[in-house]
Amino acid sequence: ETGVTQTPRHLVMGMTNKKSLKCEQHLGHNAMYWYKQSAKKPLELMFVYSLEERVENNSVPSRFSPECPNSSHLFLHLHTLQPEDSALYLCASSRDRDPAVYEQYFGPGTRLTVT
Amino acid sequence: GQQVMQIPQYQHVQEGEDFTTYCNSSTTLSNIQWYKQRPGGHPVFLIQLVKSGEVKKQKRLTFQFGEAKKNSSLHITATQTTDVGTYFCAGSFYNQGGKLIFGQGTELSVKP
Repeated sequence: ETGVTQTPRHLVMGMTNKKSLKCEQHLGHNAMYWYKQSAKKPLELMFVYSLEERVENNSVPSRFSPECPNSSHLFLHLHTLQPEDSALYLCASSRDRDPAVYEQYFGPGTRLTVT
Repeated sequence: GQQVMQIPQYQHVQEGEDFTTYCNSSTTLSNIQWYKQRPGGHPVFLIQLVKSGEVKKQKRLTFQFGEAKKNSSLHITATQTTDVGTYFCAGSFYNQGGKLIFGQGTELSVKP
């Protein structure tokens, strides 16, 4: 499946580093999402963008900064992370943001390790 | 906030046995979706249920939505090793502005 791609697939960073995660969807969808998946926890919604406008910010620490330059691309900028931020970060897209109608398509994720 | 509770957390079965995972909410759901995540993979959409009491089938998988739209189940008949993975339910609520809330997932392992 190549509908939603994410780079890098793996990332190891120190707590003082700045890095960015990239997501691209090739499905013509209008909504994009960032999720955090930690071991033993459900998927946690971080951010939602609809038509490039942020419509949801789920009480995420400011060390995570999203950017959506167009409806096909989504970034997650990381800085001064903590070890507990180590997780799988998943990007998803849907035709529109109404989950009562549209399913979400996930990318392969970026496995982030903060040392 | 509203939650979707999913049980069991783990299920180990012998190949050929049946498997069921359950999702519950204390609040009425607008709809529920089911996803499967293979080991090392990402969640993949399986199905969506919208109507009260709805039952849908995909080959050996049967999905049900409760009459009160507060619970749902996924039943797999005669499991195969290809069924291995984590199954997530995800619900949306009428007053949550279109947010999808995921359950904790049920990790299924199948012994050949």
